[in-house]
Amino acid sequence: NAGVTQTPKFQVLKTGQSMTLQCAQDMNHNSMYWYRQDPGMGLRLIYYSASEGTTDKGEVPNGYNVSRLNKREFSLRLESAAPSQTSVYFCASSWRGSMNTEAFFGQGTRLTVV
Amino acid sequence: TQLLEQSPQFLSIQEGENLTVYCNSSSVFSSLQWYRQEPGEGPVLLVTVVTGGEVKKLKRLTFQFGDARKDSSLHITAAQPGDTGLYLCAATRLSGSARQLTFGSGTQLTVLP
Repeated sequence: NAGVTQTPKFQVLKTGQSMTLQCAQDMNHNSMYWYRQDPGMGLRLIYYSASEGTTDKGEVPNGYNVSRLNKREFSLRLESAAPSQTSVYFCASSWRGSMNTEAFFGQGTRLTVV
Repeated sequence: TQLLEQSPQFLSIQEGENLTVYCNSSSVFSSLQWYRQEPGEGPVLLVTVVTGGEVKKLKRLTFQFGDARKDSSLHITAAQPGDTGLYLCAATRLSGSARQLTFGSGTQLTVLP
């Protein structure tokens, strides 16, 4: 079972470069999320998509854009990378139908901006 | 200010000891979840607590949801090195018609053999 698949697993960017982090889930989930994880900060929500065709800002959206390409795929784009965006990025998905629903996570993308 | 405050931030104990970690908020939640994350992996759900005062047990782990549904605790009995990891609490809140899943800052647990 693939679950949630993120690519790439590692990436080094120079300041000002752009890149897109890819995420795909095969569980037929409605909701998808992008988080960043920094030491001592837990997981902070960047953007989320409650269903195909909708996206909303989370806690820390500045410097990022997202696209919900279809029900399976949710990408995160950094238009002009900055060192402050050095972090581990996680994509997650869940059923929309319940407040108690479990979130399933990918293995993360470790991004370094130099 | 984080919606969910976890304490302690770091905890290092010897194998066989007991421990409790806490998750607190000023907000009321309909439910609260606990996840565990190992190095290089994404978080994995351990439990969801729904009812105020609810206690759930998962082998040596005991989870409690506060009566007012604002806080939760995780107690581990006779900790083992395999319990080492980052423990995160999470809650869903409504933002308009959408649901945001928000996490606390986590407790990094190290169990020494």
